[in-house]
Amino acid sequence: SQTIHQWPATLVQPVGSPLSLECTVEGTSNPNLYWYRQAAGRGLQLLFYSVGIGQISSEVPQNLSASRPQDRQFILSSKKLLLSDSGFYLCASGGGPSTDTQYFGPGTRLTVL
Amino acid sequence: AQSVAQPEDQVNVAEGNPLTVKCTYSVSGNPYLFWYVQYPNRGLQFLLKYITGDNLVKGSYGFEAEFNKSQTSFHLKKPSALVSDSALYFCAVRTISGGSYIPTFGRGTSLIVHP
Repeated sequence: SQTIHQWPATLVQPVGSPLSLECTVEGTSNPNLYWYRQAAGRGLQLLFYSVGIGQISSEVPQNLSASRPQDRQFILSSKKLLLSDSGFYLCASGGGPSTDTQYFGPGTRLTVL
Repeated sequence: AQSVAQPEDQVNVAEGNPLTVKCTYSVSGNPYLFWYVQYPNRGLQFLLKYITGDNLVKGSYGFEAEFNKSQTSFHLKKPSALVSDSALYFCAVRTISGGSYIPTFGRGTSLIVHP
């Protein structure tokens, strides 16, 4: 099965500072990759998904961006964080035609002050 | 368009009693349905899925779910709840978008099992 690594586990950043969250995947190749944000421990908001290297689709307009420099690496970035960017960020793999189940990483708790 | 509804924000059940967490969906074509569980400050874990075949699906930790096409439901069930089952449960349905597979998640249901 797949293993998803995310880091850091927790992050406290000031408003206006940059952000870089990294996700790597083990146990598969050419996975679909996803970034979700979860606010207040409830629903998942899909932010970005990728079907291959350099292929990124954005689901919502915001000050966040994503990149996929390698097959099993997915990065979430921001140039200037907003208070509203606080939340629990989850990376997921799978959900494609060969692996319909999604596998989630442990998450990053981001607090913007 | 597709959607998933989890009508209960919270479900309370006593340990040892049966539990049901409800999910209804709306999707064009045949649905692929999933249940995931999330413990505090953790990522989601896969519980079970329905793709095709038997309407009763068995999954991890003694959970099962029944696919009901006429009622467009996929309720999660367990015959005897444990305190350790207390967590946030998500129902999801899958679709296809531009060649990718984009799951839609429900808002989640908090299950609280009382000793």
